[in-house]
Amino acid sequence: AQTVTQSQPEMSVQEAETVTLSCTYDTSESDYYLFWYKQPPSRQMILVIRQEAYKQQNATENRFSVNFQKAAKSFSLKISDSQLGDAAMYFCAYRSAYGGATNKLIFGTGTLLAVQP
Amino acid sequence: DTGVSQDPRHKITKRGQNVTFRCDPISEHNRLYWYRQTLGQGPEFLTYFQNEAQLEKSRLLSDRFSAERPKGSFSTLEIQRTEQGDSAMYLCASSPGLMNTEAFFGQGTRLTVV
Repeated sequence: AQTVTQSQPEMSVQEAETVTLSCTYDTSESDYYLFWYKQPPSRQMILVIRQEAYKQQNATENRFSVNFQKAAKSFSLKISDSQLGDAAMYFCAYRSAYGGATNKLIFGTGTLLAVQP
Repeated sequence: DTGVSQDPRHKITKRGQNVTFRCDPISEHNRLYWYRQTLGQGPEFLTYFQNEAQLEKSRLLSDRFSAERPKGSFSTLEIQRTEQGDSAMYLCASSPGLMNTEAFFGQGTRLTVV
């Protein structure tokens, strides 16, 4: 069974600074997707960034980028130029890419990010 | 399209009562998921529908839980004889069914069993 581990329950960053959130996962599959989701206090989960395991290039979405290390099963999220609106719970998630699977998401326990003005 | 809609947003019920939650997915999304999120934890998968067919149920879904998706549109999640341990946020998500497409989440229903 696949597992996702986020070892940082809480992180804090100064506005305009850079912060990196860590995520490791375990799987025996070779093809899968990894995601970072943001859950603001309103509780609606929003996709931040997605990485396909077969792609070597790290995904980037504006101020958000990932460091995907497939051999190490590591998938960290870097937030550059942090803004007050980035404050939220961040979840790392895994999804199988195999056809016929439910494509359910397997989540880590989350990292609560605080942004200090 | 207004996104995934869940109703009610909050529900307080007495232990032993039955509750039912509703999820309206994004139109034409044929995949629908229910997750449960307890305080301090990430969401955990409960069940999955493809159109009207319930194709997978987690072991977390005890006999007191039942979910339906009639006609492949909205879905309901019912909990019978609620227990205090059922207190959680219940999240619904939908996706179009393409392999590389994200799941879109609703705002959730927060259940408190007193």
